[in-house]
Amino acid sequence: AQKVTQAQTEISVVEKEDVTLDCVYETRDTTYYLFWYKQPPSGELVFLIRRNSFDEQNEISGRYSWNFQKSTSSFNFTITASQVVDSAVYFCALENAGGTSYGKLTFGQGTILTVHP
Amino acid sequence: GAVVSQHPSWVICKSGTSVKIECRSLDFQATTMFWYRQFPKQSLMLMATSNEGSKATYEQGVEKDKFLINHASLTLSTLTVTSAHPEDSSFYICSARDPGQVGTDTQYFGPGTRLTVL
Repeated sequence: AQKVTQAQTEISVVEKEDVTLDCVYETRDTTYYLFWYKQPPSGELVFLIRRNSFDEQNEISGRYSWNFQKSTSSFNFTITASQVVDSAVYFCALENAGGTSYGKLTFGQGTILTVHP
Repeated sequence: GAVVSQHPSWVICKSGTSVKIECRSLDFQATTMFWYRQFPKQSLMLMATSNEGSKATYEQGVEKDKFLINHASLTLSTLTVTSAHPEDSSFYICSARDPGQVGTDTQYFGPGTRLTVL
């Protein structure tokens, strides 16, 4: 069975602070994908990143960066110099790359990020 | 990126009525679509996998007779909530996989449908 845990239910920061959202996952599969999605108040999921289980390189995209560590089954997400527009719910998700669970996403509980001006 | 639409974006209905939600892939053909449900302040839970031309596969605990799924074409999947009750009020989100994008395996999500049953 797959499981994704986002231990932080809510995080509140002041603008320009850096913030890290934690994600820990469990899976028996050797090949899988990890995702981060942003869900603003409108409800529509915004895709942020997809990472293959064989690619442990960290990635940076503007103010966003991701740290993938297979040894600790973690895929953490950092926002540098946070802005009010970053306020949203962020979900980490896991997808098996094959078998009967192919394509099915298991989502974490979500982290509500509030950035205050 | 690819676009997935949902209709309606919100619906309010009386208890006991049936509601149909459409999910369309606008610029690609999707052999597989997924339906998720999200209760307020909770995570997304997969309800079922919709396969074009065959029966949907439901996740454990999801009533197939209550949530009817029809994937009649490569661009359309419908979810019908039959005899809806207040506890069915939720945010329903579909996603579609673009098989044409080999190697990316990216799912594209619709904007969601908010269902309120009075």
